[in-house]
Amino acid sequence: GENVEQHPSTLSVQEGDSAVIKCTYSDSASNYFPWYKQELGKRPQLIIDIRSNVGEKKDQRIAVTLNKTAKHFSLHITETQPEDSAVYFCAASLPSNDYKLSFGAGTTVTVRA
Amino acid sequence: GAVVSQHPSRVICKSGTSVKIECRSLDFQATTMFWYRQFPKQSLMLMATSNEGSKATYEQGVEKDKFLINHASLTLSTLTVTSAHPEDSSFYICSAEGGSETQYFGPGTRLLVL
Repeated sequence: GENVEQHPSTLSVQEGDSAVIKCTYSDSASNYFPWYKQELGKRPQLIIDIRSNVGEKKDQRIAVTLNKTAKHFSLHITETQPEDSAVYFCAASLPSNDYKLSFGAGTTVTVRA
Repeated sequence: GAVVSQHPSRVICKSGTSVKIECRSLDFQATTMFWYRQFPKQSLMLMATSNEGSKATYEQGVEKDKFLINHASLTLSTLTVTSAHPEDSSFYICSAEGGSETQYFGPGTRLLVL
């Protein structure tokens, strides 16, 4: 099955700085890579996703890059704000696996005011 | 769009009782629904995949007789934790997928078994 590793496990940044979270996946057939943000006690919310036919996608302060050759993808948050503080999960899915998501272990992001 | 509801949001029960959790897709038809369990400060662990009108597919190590899943319609899936024990206490979250691979999550159910 698919194995997703996520780094770092915790990340503290000053408000206004950028935050970068990196994930690697094991199965080159994976073709869909979503990122979720989860606040304490709440549901994971999809913030951005990318498919394997695209190398980069941006939505305002959030961007995701995908390197299929190296099998890694990254989340970039620019101009961080206190409300960006949360746990972020990357995931990958295989079309041959009923599109089940394999999640990374999560990154706890703290934005210092 | 893509709203998923889950009920109840919180439940406390006695050991040995059964608890049913409902997951509904409110504004789309869910081809597939997924059930996850999440322990504090951990990632989401997939328990089972549920397709409307067919038997759920359970992940390795998940007891299908303990965690009964029914996907009666394209908008409703239920998870029943049978004979619950304290070690079943957790945050249970469902998600629904409407054919685009994107999974939308419900708000979760916090289960506490005394």
